Amino acid sequence: DTEVTQTPKHLVMGMTNKKSLKCEQHMGHRAMYWYKQKAKKPPELMFVYSYEKLSINESVPSRFSPECPNSSLLNLHLHALQPEDSALYLCASSQRAAGEPGAQYFGPGTRLLVL
Amino acid sequence: AQRVTQPEKLLSVFKGAPVELKCNYSYSGSPELFWYVQYSRQRLQLLLRHISRESIKGFTADLNKGETSFHLKKPFAQEEDSAMYYCALGSGNQFYFGTGTSLTVIP
Repeated sequence: DTEVTQTPKHLVMGMTNKKSLKCEQHMGHRAMYWYKQKAKKPPELMFVYSYEKLSINESVPSRFSPECPNSSLLNLHLHALQPEDSALYLCASSQRAAGEPGAQYFGPGTRLLVL
Repeated sequence: AQRVTQPEKLLSVFKGAPVELKCNYSYSGSPELFWYVQYSRQRLQLLLRHISRESIKGFTADLNKGETSFHLKKPFAQEEDSAMYYCALGSGNQFYFGTGTSLTVIP
């Protein structure tokens, strides 16, 4: 399996809902990332996990809560989001651990709409 | 601080014409540079990385440390090359993307 997978593909949620995004890779990659991408803009880094430990939090609001249950899985828990949080959420992984740059491989994303 | 600059937001070329997408970077160490492509409704895909010096889909990119550039080139553009292209720089824990260039190849 040489891909990063993400579920769900689409998600619509209200501002009081709690939902989770899931990401999975089976390439043995040591680092996993969450990005937020608005239309026609580059991805913005949110979180980096290296060896299942959070190594970077780019001042993301606490309504976004990442979790890395094991080296293959990455979750993003969402609670009390705002309409401006609507975006494409991308997961990525890289073979080298954070701290050692290397190519990142991206999932297809979850398109989130907050009403 | 801006690490990666892509000066052209939009670029249109005719099919068969050469294409060059510009990327300049600012970084004090030895950067690791990449080109990513995002076709309509598809995932962001790695196109090239400077350390491998390969040609993918006819595209090449050479790292010019003197000019701090990593321009993407293709001698003959194809319609299927129409997409958003991002230059990216890897540094320590970070991965910096340029603002992207939307390439349209006109038939």
